[in-house]
Amino acid sequence: DTAVSQTPKYLVTQMGNDKSIKCEQNLGHDTMYWYKQDSKKFLKIMFSYNNKELIINETVPNRFSPKSPDKAHLNLHINSLELGDSAVYFCASSQGQVQPQHFGDGTRLSIL
Amino acid sequence: GENVEQHPSTLSVQEGDSAVIKCTYSDSASNYFPWYKQELGKGPQLIIDIRSNVGEKKDQRIAVTLNKTAKHFSLHITETQPEDSAVYFCAAAGSARQLTFGSGTQLTVLP
Repeated sequence: DTAVSQTPKYLVTQMGNDKSIKCEQNLGHDTMYWYKQDSKKFLKIMFSYNNKELIINETVPNRFSPKSPDKAHLNLHINSLELGDSAVYFCASSQGQVQPQHFGDGTRLSIL
Repeated sequence: GENVEQHPSTLSVQEGDSAVIKCTYSDSASNYFPWYKQELGKGPQLIIDIRSNVGEKKDQRIAVTLNKTAKHFSLHITETQPEDSAVYFCAAAGSARQLTFGSGTQLTVLP
């Protein structure tokens, strides 16, 4: 029944590794997002896809690469992980831009 | 780009009292203002939103007001309950058509 689901919920890994986070929504929405929430709880958009096309790409290192295989999925791949990547990453979806967004419960990424 | 400021950063109220959280925005083209509640270990959950053609919106104990001239909007929670304790975020969508979030308010409702 979960509307926006992310896996894994927790990810602990070493610096320099490559990891992926998966996101799926069953709301039939056409727009999906990735947000980063830092240790001070500040939420910032990273990427947005509309109908599988990238529409927002904030100033994010090239090590972060989103991929949308279909409208219901938006995955985030991170290369060469750094200490500063430690954060909670949230996936969200909406029907169109500037519309109510539904968030997943986040993936807590910890870099050792 | 859009800049959203939120105050206060922490707020403690007695159960049954009202709580008010205020936000200001910078982009005069902003036209969508949602409020989110985030409980520990969970994602933000939309609790109410307002668009720029409306000055006030209410949903049971929650209300949001918008002053476009002053570029500020506020969340009002009446008859607070312990389960209202959470972090609340305001956000605004401007000409960039993406949400910019405020820095959050930790609301604690004391029984």
